[in-house]
Amino acid sequence: AQSVTQPDIHITVSEGASLELRCNYSYGATPYLFWYVQSPGQGLQLLLKYFSGDTLVQGIKGFEAEFKRSQSSFNLRKPSVHWSDAAEYFCAVERTGGGNKLTFGTGTQLKVEL
Amino acid sequence: KAGVTQTPRYLIKTRGQQVTLSCSPISGHRSVSWYQQTPGQGLQFLFEYFSETQRNKGNFPGRFSGRQFSNSRSEMNVSTLELGDSALYLCASSLDAGELFFGEGSRLTVL
Repeated sequence: AQSVTQPDIHITVSEGASLELRCNYSYGATPYLFWYVQSPGQGLQLLLKYFSGDTLVQGIKGFEAEFKRSQSSFNLRKPSVHWSDAAEYFCAVERTGGGNKLTFGTGTQLKVEL
Repeated sequence: KAGVTQTPRYLIKTRGQQVTLSCSPISGHRSVSWYQQTPGQGLQFLFEYFSETQRNKGNFPGRFSGRQFSNSRSEMNVSTLELGDSALYLCASSLDAGELFFGEGSRLTVL
């Protein structure tokens, strides 16, 4: 069965600092990969996705992620964090051709210090 | 265009009761998925419906069921509620496989 690991439960960064959130997955082949963000009391919003092709993908709000097959990783990055980025971030995988059945990581709570 | 709409947003039930949650997908989307979010278990897939047929199912007991109507609207039902069913239930719609658009969720509290 596929699984997703987000090793950092909480991360605190200063506004303007760079950010990297880690995500590792376990799956027999290359799955579809996603990063979602959830603000308090809200649903999930898609930041970016990787299906195939260029391993560096750009998303909304200045986020990017890099797929590394050799490390089974899909880390999320942002060069300069804004206070409004404080939220919970979820990495997710989907089996290719498996319909919309996502397996989510446990999430990383991001706190931004002003 | 309008996003995914879930109703009700909040509800309180007692053990043993049943509950029905509703989800209206984005216009044109034929896939509707349901997820349960709890602090202990995180986000877990319940089921997915596509063109009125259940396409995928997660590992939840039979007390959890769902259906999709011809207009793509979906409902999920939980019977014989248990305290552990307290959660945020999220609905997501999609054109097909790939990008999911989530609603704001229905927060269920079971007393």
